[in-house]
Amino acid sequence: DAKTTQPPSMDCAEGRAANLPCNHSTISGNEYVYWYRQIHSQGPQYIIHGLKNNETNEMASLIITEDRKSSTLILPHATLRDTAVYYCIVRLVGGSNYKLTFGKGTLLTVNP
Amino acid sequence: DTAVSQTPKYLVTQMGNDKSIKCEQNLGHDTMYWYKQDSKKFLKIMFSYNNKELIINETVPNRFSPKSPDKAHLNLHINSLELGDSAVYFCASSQRTSGTDTQYFGPGTRLTVL
Repeated sequence: DAKTTQPPSMDCAEGRAANLPCNHSTISGNEYVYWYRQIHSQGPQYIIHGLKNNETNEMASLIITEDRKSSTLILPHATLRDTAVYYCIVRLVGGSNYKLTFGKGTLLTVNP
Repeated sequence: DTAVSQTPKYLVTQMGNDKSIKCEQNLGHDTMYWYKQDSKKFLKIMFSYNNKELIINETVPNRFSPKSPDKAHLNLHINSLELGDSAVYFCASSQRTSGTDTQYFGPGTRLTVL
């Protein structure tokens, strides 16, 4: 699985959009970009994933650059409950790859 | 309705004891996992079972023995507990045939070895 680079921490004001960047310059053509988050003392929570196209669901939007070397997770209207560590994970799906490889992630702090 | 549940939530025990952590998923998934999160907050996979068959064993000491009685359950038994086993253990499940194989995690079991 390709390596990812994320800033260790970010701040965001409540009600504003939170844009979390992730670099994955060694991503291969059939690797997906996944985003998970972990709120303090809870299990990791799936947010969104994508391959090439931008994706949106009820939680967030995922913007993947055309060359696929980086992506941005967007929380459109951050709330205090969005304070968490956000993990960007690149992985091959299927075959013998069963695991998620977590890095250090980005600690997003949403301030009132 | 909890999708992936674990028991107990907290476990405090003495060195040398044997303990078990249970995991159940009601999502109908065919694959289950155990992850360990240490004090430095790194999450690492330990085991994976697909249709009750062991798929991944990430060089975990053989004091750790997963057991999958059926597709909905994956228990973790730990023998001769050591101080370094103190961590939070997360169970997860996914459906391998879904295409994207998204994993869903349980709430975690915080194990403290004294």
